[in-house]
Amino acid sequence: DAKTTQPPSMDCAEGRAANLPCNHSTISGNEYVYWYRQIHSQGPQYIIHGLKNNETNEMASLIITEDRKSSTLILPHATLRDTAVYYCIVSLRDDKIIFGKGTRLHILP
Amino acid sequence: EPEVTQTPSHQVTQMGQEVILRCVPISNHLYFYWYRQILGQKVEFLVSFYNNEISEKSEIFDDQFSVERPDGSNFTLKIRSTKLEDSAMYFCASKRWGRDNEKLFFGSGTQLSVL
Repeated sequence: DAKTTQPPSMDCAEGRAANLPCNHSTISGNEYVYWYRQIHSQGPQYIIHGLKNNETNEMASLIITEDRKSSTLILPHATLRDTAVYYCIVSLRDDKIIFGKGTRLHILP
Repeated sequence: EPEVTQTPSHQVTQMGQEVILRCVPISNHLYFYWYRQILGQKVEFLVSFYNNEISEKSEIFDDQFSVERPDGSNFTLKIRSTKLEDSAMYFCASKRWGRDNEKLFFGSGTQLSVL
């Protein structure tokens, strides 16, 4: 029932940019793209969200394609502390967040 | 940054016993949620709560579960008669208001073990 497709796992070298892809080909016009992450068994942590435009904050950048059918989360300089499961979620702005299986990102020293 | 606080961090109980998991959401938040995560599985939505009533609940949230905001600061999840399969990490979350793009803040969870 997931609205998004993500690779199950990815590796990235420490200090390099981590680019995490997400497909959401059935996204509707008023649905947002949210990214959360979960470090080990901690509570999920919000990273960033967007509707149409690319977004950047202190944690990451979000690139959304013009047709909105896919997006990429970019961690510009990955550190070992960025090792986590990253969830791409499509949701209406006032709706609950439903988690899929996410991408397990391994940052390699 | 403000935090959602959950207590206890670990709870062990016997099958059939009642358990109450406690959460203190961020003070100016109005929307509250419970999620759970069975070991090795996805984070699953249980229930959302707004204006002192349940907004939405999942199929998991059956009659054995209830939520309450007893005093304007705490938000509790009660499991009336625990089963082995209720063993999981339970996360509380809160959000400032629904009709905006406010992010969901999660607590660090309560690990419930039912023996």
